[in-house]
Amino acid sequence: GQNIDQPTEMTATEGAIVQINCTYQTSGFNGLFWYQQHAGEAPTFLSYNVLDGLEEKGRFSSFLSRSKGYSYLLLKELQMKDSASYLCAVLDSNYQLIWGAGTKLIIKP
Amino acid sequence: DTAVSQTPKYLVTQMGNDKSIKCEQNLGHDTMYWYKQDSKKFLKIMFSYNNKELIINETVPNRFSPKSPDKAHLNLHINSLELGDSAVYFCASSQGQDVAQAFFGQGTRLTVV
Repeated sequence: GQNIDQPTEMTATEGAIVQINCTYQTSGFNGLFWYQQHAGEAPTFLSYNVLDGLEEKGRFSSFLSRSKGYSYLLLKELQMKDSASYLCAVLDSNYQLIWGAGTKLIIKP
Repeated sequence: DTAVSQTPKYLVTQMGNDKSIKCEQNLGHDTMYWYKQDSKKFLKIMFSYNNKELIINETVPNRFSPKSPDKAHLNLHINSLELGDSAVYFCASSQGQDVAQAFFGQGTRLTVV
């Protein structure tokens, strides 16, 4: 079966750095996405990795290792507005997005 | 201007009723989707339409019927609602299979009582 695993919840301090991990087992791989979802709102696109390595975009970076079926989202200089759920999703061989359950990130002052 | 809009935002209804959720996108995209997000926050695709034609139809009860009158609209009709249908339903659109650029609607919170 297809499986995406990420921690249910994480807590971090404002101004700090946090890394949210995602491991996946899917039928084929055509890329991995990270989305941010604030409570009661729609998911918004953060990043896309299809090749191994690190993609940096401002305070957010995403890393992919296809051989390990592993990705992480790195958030730097955390702000209170970063409190949200972070969803990992993999595009499988049929170009269907398989979603993880999301990691709820709580930022404390 | 709202890119992907769905109505209503909240829907409370009794078991056994029939209800519809509407979705419209003004982005000129040719692919639209319906997702269901359950209480555990899993987003699962239900349907996908490309140029008004059904291309993904996951295993959902046939009480759920999508209708796409044109490329800009994908409505979801649900018959004989059940308690387990309570969830947030998201509409999304993209150009082709470029899901990296997919835009999501704000969601419709359906509560069946």
